[in-house]
Amino acid sequence: DIQMTQSPSSLPASLGERVTISCRASQGISNNLNWYQQKPDGTIKPLIYYTSNLQSGVPSRFSGSGSGTDYSLTISSLEPEDFAMYYCQQDASFPPTFGGGTKLELK
Amino acid sequence: QVQLKETGPDLVQLTQTLSITCTVSGFSLTTYNVHWVRQPPGKGLEWMGAMWNGGGTDYNSAFKSRLSISRDTSKSQVFLKMNSLQTDDTAKYFCATYTVAGGHFDYWGQGVMVTVSS
Repeated sequence: DIQMTQSPSSLPASLGERVTISCRASQGISNNLNWYQQKPDGTIKPLIYYTSNLQSGVPSRFSGSGSGTDYSLTISSLEPEDFAMYYCQQDASFPPTFGGGTKLELK
Repeated sequence: QVQLKETGPDLVQLTQTLSITCTVSGFSLTTYNVHWVRQPPGKGLEWMGAMWNGGGTDYNSAFKSRLSISRDTSKSQVFLKMNSLQTDDTAKYFCATYTVAGGHFDYWGQGVMVTVSS
């Protein structure tokens, strides 16, 4: 199985700040990389698919980039509702696997 | 609109069988794929298996032969059954739709928390 490693595991940040979360795959995944947001109540929302495509309804302050084994999620200016857990997920190889998560918290 | 809702027991005894139902609305199971993902308390997400729109299934080998996924298209329901439960099966269980075009899980249920008790 492809292992997905996210960093950092915890990210303290302030409102309005620009932040980046990284995700590294144990082998190349050819841009088959998705990002999800999980709120404290447990609800999961898709954010970005295939590295850089914004899911419908997701604000443009979210963006994704990367290639090969290294990918990132950037939030350009943090809003109060952005403080949550973030997970990456690869779809290049069966079974789909997720990163361990990054907790974005208010500094 | 697309909605998924998981229903199942709060508590299951050690070594017993877990049964969870995912009831969907806003789409047909013959056109959407529904997968199962679980999350132990305080931990990350783990893909369990898939019910494809054509009726085929796939499973994570981590669950070996313990896991079974089936469906009733007339009732818009997908079923997860897992036997020989252990304490590390304590988790929140989610069903989600999977779109092949984007290769991602695009709609999620709220999840159901299941505790395995000894």
